[in-house]
Amino acid sequence: NAGVTQTPKFQVLKTGQSMTLQCAQDMNHEYMSWYRQDPGMGLRLIHYSVGAGITDQGEVPNGYNVSRSTTEDFPLRLLSAAPSQTSVYFCASSYSGTATEAFFGQGTRLTVV
Amino acid sequence: QQPVQSPQAVILREGEDAVINCSSSKALYSVHWYRQKHGEAPVFLMILLKGGEQKGHEKISASFNEKKQQSSLYLTASQLSYSGTYFCGTESGGVRKLIFGQGTTLQVKP
Repeated sequence: NAGVTQTPKFQVLKTGQSMTLQCAQDMNHEYMSWYRQDPGMGLRLIHYSVGAGITDQGEVPNGYNVSRSTTEDFPLRLLSAAPSQTSVYFCASSYSGTATEAFFGQGTRLTVV
Repeated sequence: QQPVQSPQAVILREGEDAVINCSSSKALYSVHWYRQKHGEAPVFLMILLKGGEQKGHEKISASFNEKKQQSSLYLTASQLSYSGTYFCGTESGGVRKLIFGQGTTLQVKP
């Protein structure tokens, strides 16, 4: 059982470039989300999805787009990368409903120069 | 709005106890606790629900004061393996939107 898989693990982008961070889960979880982690800021919610075709914004959605065409995949798109988006990105999944355990991927370390 | 954790950092010797607090300005439905080792993903510790139910997998205890919208994580007789960053996450309004605090770094020394 792979759990939550994120690719790539590391990425360096130039300012203005675009890219997609991939996230896939094989646990048939309805709920998926993206967080960014910065020193002293904890984990901040970017976007989340309660099921295929449904997405919503979290705390820090600006500069990021998401879509959810399948239950398994939840890609995060950076349209025009900025140095402020340098961070570690985590994807998480869980069963729907409140008070359910979140399973995290291993993270993507992104540097924008 | 992020919940607030305190303290920001704790240094302990093996066998000592620690308490990590988490407070929110919102009416909470549940509080989650996760631990993250350096360079790794956060890992689930437990969930505390409004009404007193607690769900967890490890021998770490916690409390949830619904009136004050506060939770505390109790680490007793700490071991070296307890080192890491602890995050509380909160849900409110019956919505599955898990918001995390800024984290508390715990270092346990021999």
